[in-house]
Amino acid sequence: GQQLNQSPQSMFIQEGEDVSMNCTSSSIFNTWLWYKQDPGEGPVLLIALYKAGELTSNGRLTAQFGITRKDSFLNISASIPSDVGIYFCAGQRGAQKLVFGQGTRLTINP
Amino acid sequence: DADVTQTPRNRITKTGKRIMLECSQTKGHDRMYWYRQDPGLGLRLIYYSFDVKDINKGEISDGYSVSRQAQAKFSLSLESAIPNQTALYFCATSDPTAPYNEQFFGPGTRLTVL
Repeated sequence: GQQLNQSPQSMFIQEGEDVSMNCTSSSIFNTWLWYKQDPGEGPVLLIALYKAGELTSNGRLTAQFGITRKDSFLNISASIPSDVGIYFCAGQRGAQKLVFGQGTRLTINP
Repeated sequence: DADVTQTPRNRITKTGKRIMLECSQTKGHDRMYWYRQDPGLGLRLIYYSFDVKDINKGEISDGYSVSRQAQAKFSLSLESAIPNQTALYFCATSDPTAPYNEQFFGPGTRLTVL
């Protein structure tokens, strides 16, 4: 089935470092979303992007919708312990079904 | 109070058993979804429903069935469970009139098939 290629699959960083992850696809999407899953819980929406080239921030999070509509990245600045979790990108192309990336597991050493 | 609830939260069963996972929501959303999560594979769509009379197969529907008994309830069944159905299962809802198709996820059901 169709999936997005999300990288890296895992990251081990020190508290205070910046984080960058991205998603690519061979297909065009009209909307890109970034979700975070805390341990033992379901994913929660962090940022949504619906215009090619759009750059959106939410606190320490910044995400961009690639100009080709085939990619997106998420940056987290000055990481803190509560940033630990799994981050998923998701693309949408009509019919309101989402296609998810494989996830990036973020671990932070204090 | 949780808006999307799933029962049970954890289940261990044996190969060949019939299993039903329940999802309820108080968000008033018409659209509901079932996903499974496996390490390294992300979330994959099993079935989805856009209203009570609507059922659609997702990416990996083989071995599963669903029932949309009411707007608020969407259940997933494994008629004869097999070990490779061991996974974390999530129910989600969305409102078609809302921007971004934001999907709201339940807390998940961890299913182990021995």
